[in-house]
Amino acid sequence: AQSVSQHNHHVILSEAASLELGCNYSYGGTVNLFWYVQYPGQHLQLLLKYFSGDPLVKGIKGFEAEFIKSKFSFNLRKPSVQWSDTAEYFCAVIYDTGGFKTIFGAGTRLFVKA
Amino acid sequence: EAQVTQNPRYLITVTGKKLTVTCSQNMNHEYMSWYRQDPGLGLRQIYYSMNVEVTDKGDVPEGYKVSRKEKRNFPLILESPSPNQTSLYFCASSPRLSNTEAFFGQGTRLTVV
Repeated sequence: AQSVSQHNHHVILSEAASLELGCNYSYGGTVNLFWYVQYPGQHLQLLLKYFSGDPLVKGIKGFEAEFIKSKFSFNLRKPSVQWSDTAEYFCAVIYDTGGFKTIFGAGTRLFVKA
Repeated sequence: EAQVTQNPRYLITVTGKKLTVTCSQNMNHEYMSWYRQDPGLGLRQIYYSMNVEVTDKGDVPEGYKVSRKEKRNFPLILESPSPNQTSLYFCASSPRLSNTEAFFGQGTRLTVV
């Protein structure tokens, strides 16, 4: 079955630390890849997306992600986190089979200490 | 302002009492879907709709119904809510099935006692 795995469920960092959140997906065909962010009490917002082209994509607020097809991965990175990055982060994949279903990972809760 | 609007934002109800959560989008999007968010499970798709009068089951459709009579509206119906449907629900829309991101509503926190 198609699935999305996020390796870390909870991450605690100090301000200015570097961040990397892992995301792996199970399907080897054509995919659309996303990272969404959910700030406390709010709805999901798009952080960045990859459809094709340059596998290193840049999103809002200094986030970037790298698509590595051979590893079925789409890891999210930020060189220096801020307290305001405290949120839950979801990796999501649209698979191109059977209705273009979107599958979400379980999410990673990031807490940044000031 | 382009948005997806859900109502109500918060709802406490009793087991078996039918309820409807409304969802409306003003972006003329073809594709709409409902998700439930539970701790440790991420978002799971309940139902989706590819256009007016076209709906299909997602991963967790049991206990839910939807309808898509108009392009902008996609209500979620719980005919006989049970405590295991206590969750945070999100409606989302997108202009097409792929090569596009989803736009989410503010969420509806439902508690069934």
